Amino acid sequence: DQQVKQNSPSLSVQEGRISILNCDYTNSMFDYFLWYKKYPAEGPTFLISISSIKDKNEDGRFTVFLNKSAKHLSLHIVPSQPGDSAVYFCAASGQMAMRFGAGTRLTVKP
Amino acid sequence: GAGVSQSPSNKVTEKGKDVELRCDPISGHTALYWYRQRLGQGLEFLIYFQGNSAPDKSGLPSDRFSAERTGESVSTLTIQRTQQEDSAVYLCASSSRGGTQYFGPGTRLLVL
Repeated sequence: DQQVKQNSPSLSVQEGRISILNCDYTNSMFDYFLWYKKYPAEGPTFLISISSIKDKNEDGRFTVFLNKSAKHLSLHIVPSQPGDSAVYFCAASGQMAMRFGAGTRLTVKP
Repeated sequence: GAGVSQSPSNKVTEKGKDVELRCDPISGHTALYWYRQRLGQGLEFLIYFQGNSAPDKSGLPSDRFSAERTGESVSTLTIQRTQQEDSAVYLCASSSRGGTQYFGPGTRLLVL
């Protein structure tokens, strides 16, 4: 069941520019959203999260925006750095177990 | 402190054989999750344990897959009569109740 969708499998941006990764969900019972970052041959690591009572959460270069009416969230990375190149997974949770999107591979070119 | 550990790190098996994958969660974490990531695909939820509650098995793809957890410690994921489509990285994660999940490095399973 595709309750969490990341429709862009890949994204390429220039170093210093903004990276915007998008995520859509279908289940209105989700109330907590997270982004994970994954390097090859490693497990995903937590990046940033947002509760459904907020519409924005910022942590350094990373900002997550939540639009509950559209069931959409996005991750902004600015400025993007080559070390940000990884696969980014969007995740959503509520009373049920967490669900992940398919991931977006971000490549930041020097 | 110690993170989530998984063993083996790599497993090659023949089609039809059974395999058992192990996960050691972070001490004190009541929740434990198993996920699968096939090549080129996203994380696929398999099963979720929370304390002594009945596990959420809604993600298990077939009855060949089963998992157990002893209290709030080690979990094993068993795949019986493996098929080639079972080849994937199997990831385990643990968390405190409602907290951020911390992932292990995964077990890479190849079914020949």
